[in-house]
Amino acid sequence: GDSVTQMEGPVTLSEEAFLTINCTYTATGYPSLFWYVQYPGEGLQLLLKATKADDKGSNKGFEATYRKETTSFHLEKGSVQVSDSAVYFCALSDSWGAQKLVFGQGTRLTINP
Amino acid sequence: DAMVIQNPRYQVTQFGKPVTLSCSQTLNHNVMYWYQQKSSQAPKLLFHYYDKDFNNEADTPDNFQSRRPNTSFCFLDIRSPGLGDAAMYLCATSRAPGQGGDTQYFGPGTRLTVL
Repeated sequence: GDSVTQMEGPVTLSEEAFLTINCTYTATGYPSLFWYVQYPGEGLQLLLKATKADDKGSNKGFEATYRKETTSFHLEKGSVQVSDSAVYFCALSDSWGAQKLVFGQGTRLTINP
Repeated sequence: DAMVIQNPRYQVTQFGKPVTLSCSQTLNHNVMYWYQQKSSQAPKLLFHYYDKDFNNEADTPDNFQSRRPNTSFCFLDIRSPGLGDAAMYLCATSRAPGQGGDTQYFGPGTRLTVL
C-alpha cells in the first residue's frame, strides 16, 4: 500500500539556519503531496501542497517540490525562526480514490534563539 | 472565517463512561473525517462520511461510532472508553473527490483524558 517516510527527529537548529526535512513516498497512482504543521496542543494546519510532478508548493518561506523521479517531497526553508518550532508531517492523498491521507511519522523541529 | 470547530477542546471522562465529541464546519464540505492521534504519533483515520455515506476503517474498534445529522455537524461517540483511548481526536473536512477533495482541513482537536 501507499506509504510515507520522513527523516527521523527530533531536529534542533539555531535561528536563521537552513532547514531540510526529507520525505519520500511510495504510491501506486499519482498522489497529491502535502506538508502539515502541528503546533503544541493544536490540530494540523496545511502548510503547503503539490498535486503533480514538478509542482512546487510554498508558504510562509517554506518550499517543497514534487519529484516523481526520486519519489520525494522534501521541505526546505532558508532561514528558520523560533516560531517555526513544531511537528511537521508529510502526507499523500489519492485524490480519486478513498481520499485517505497517509501520513509520515512526523518530525519534531526545535529552533533555538 | 470559514473553519472547522471542535468542542470541547479538552474532555475528561471515566473509564467505561460514554463520551461524545463534536465537530462542526462552515466550509460546506461534503466529506468529514475523524482521526485519533496518540502522543508522538501520526494521526490515524477512524472513519469518514461522504455526505451521508459512512465509511469505517477496517481496524477501527466497534467502541467508536459516529453520527452526521447534517452537512455541518459530525459526532464521535466512544461507547465505553478505555485507558488506551486517551488521545487527541481530530476532525477534518474536504470537498468531494475530483473537486479539490484531496486537501483536508483540520480542526484544533479535542484532547480526551480517561481516568
